[in-house]
Amino acid sequence: NAGVTQTPKFQVLKTGQSMTLQCAQDMNHNSMYWYRQDPGMGLRLIYYSASEGTTDKGEVPNGYNVSRLNKREFSLRLESAAPSQTSVYFCASSQTGGRSYEQYFGPGTRLTVT
Amino acid sequence: QQQVKQSPQSLIVQKGGIPIINCAYENTAFDYFPWYQQFPGKGPALLIAIRPDVSEKKEGRFTISFNKSAKQFSLHIMDSQPGDSATYFCAARAISGGYNKLIFGAGTRLAVHP
Repeated sequence: NAGVTQTPKFQVLKTGQSMTLQCAQDMNHNSMYWYRQDPGMGLRLIYYSASEGTTDKGEVPNGYNVSRLNKREFSLRLESAAPSQTSVYFCASSQTGGRSYEQYFGPGTRLTVT
Repeated sequence: QQQVKQSPQSLIVQKGGIPIINCAYENTAFDYFPWYQQFPGKGPALLIAIRPDVSEKKEGRFTISFNKSAKQFSLHIMDSQPGDSATYFCAARAISGGYNKLIFGAGTRLAVHP
């Protein structure tokens, strides 16, 4: 099992450009998440998807859109990139319900917007 | 109410020392408190977790101490090793629409010197 995979690993964009970050998981998890990680601010939730076909805003959704393409895949889109979106982006997945609350994280995408 | 405050921001110890990382929260509805470990260039991974009905949990050299009345919890690393050098995040789980929402602390960068 690959767990959670993310592409690309690195990306440099110019202000105003758009791009989509891809995420896939092979653990049959219902829930998926997008976080951004900035120095001194921990991990902040951008969007999440509790199940296929549903998405909801997290703590910092402005400037982003998401698509839950199917149970495995959850993509994050920046329509018009801004320097404030320079960050490391992590996708995660977890079971829904039960007593297993662990979130499994991908390796991250390091994005620089100039 | 949703914040988890973590300290210190960074920590340096000698091999064999016992680093202690502290976290505090306000929301009494949190029901699960995990610690995640992150190595450079990698995604966070679950290290150890505790529920509020338990005051202490040990897994190998890692111990969580939990003080429900003070709304504080801490991570202790016994006999620390250079391989423990990483960033550590505390987190707390909030129930939101039936899914697993984690609120993360800002992180502690630990360096264990040989």
